[in-house]
Amino acid sequence: AQSVAQPEDQVNVAEGNPLTVKCTYSVSGNPYLFWYVQYPNRGLQFLLKYITGDNLVKGSYGFEAEFNKSQTSFHLKKPSALVSDSALYFCAVSTANTNAGKSTFGDGTTLTVKP
Amino acid sequence: DSGVTQTPKHLITATGQRVTLRCSPRSGDLSVYWYQQSLDQGLQFLIQYYNGEERAKGNILERFSAQQFPDLHSELNLSSLELGDSALYFCASSVGPVGEQYFGPGTRLTVT
Repeated sequence: AQSVAQPEDQVNVAEGNPLTVKCTYSVSGNPYLFWYVQYPNRGLQFLLKYITGDNLVKGSYGFEAEFNKSQTSFHLKKPSALVSDSALYFCAVSTANTNAGKSTFGDGTTLTVKP
Repeated sequence: DSGVTQTPKHLITATGQRVTLRCSPRSGDLSVYWYQQSLDQGLQFLIQYYNGEERAKGNILERFSAQQFPDLHSELNLSSLELGDSALYFCASSVGPVGEQYFGPGTRLTVT
């Protein structure tokens, strides 16, 4: 069974500082990895994905994530945080097997960026 | 705006009742996914349809059912509702059977 762990319920950073939101996964086969962001009372928004290729992927709003196969991690990063980045972040995994649509989401990490 | 529409936005109903939630995917997307989000359970994948066929099933209760129609819109039917079914229900769509998903604004269901 596939699973995703976001070990931190909450991440607090100061505006202008770099941020990291952690994600580790477990899956059989090659993973498809995603990050989504959810603002209050809104649906999730796609930020970035890793399917294959370069381990460092860049996404929306200056976010990037690094795929590390040996550590089965896909941490979300941003060099300089903004107050407007404060939101709930979800990591998700799926695979290209027969049950490919079964997307597993982590429990989410609340990011708070303080001015 | 993701291009995914969901109706209704809010729904208040009583225990034991049945409701239908509707979702229209983005233009060109063939996959539709349904999720339940509650405070204590997080975001739970319910079911996925791809081009009219059931593709993947998650933690969907037997009281719940879904379908995707030829025009690719989807409906999620919830019956014999219980207080614990109160949650946000999201629909998402993607172009293919896997890939990034685009989420609708959700339907907030309150069961009283």
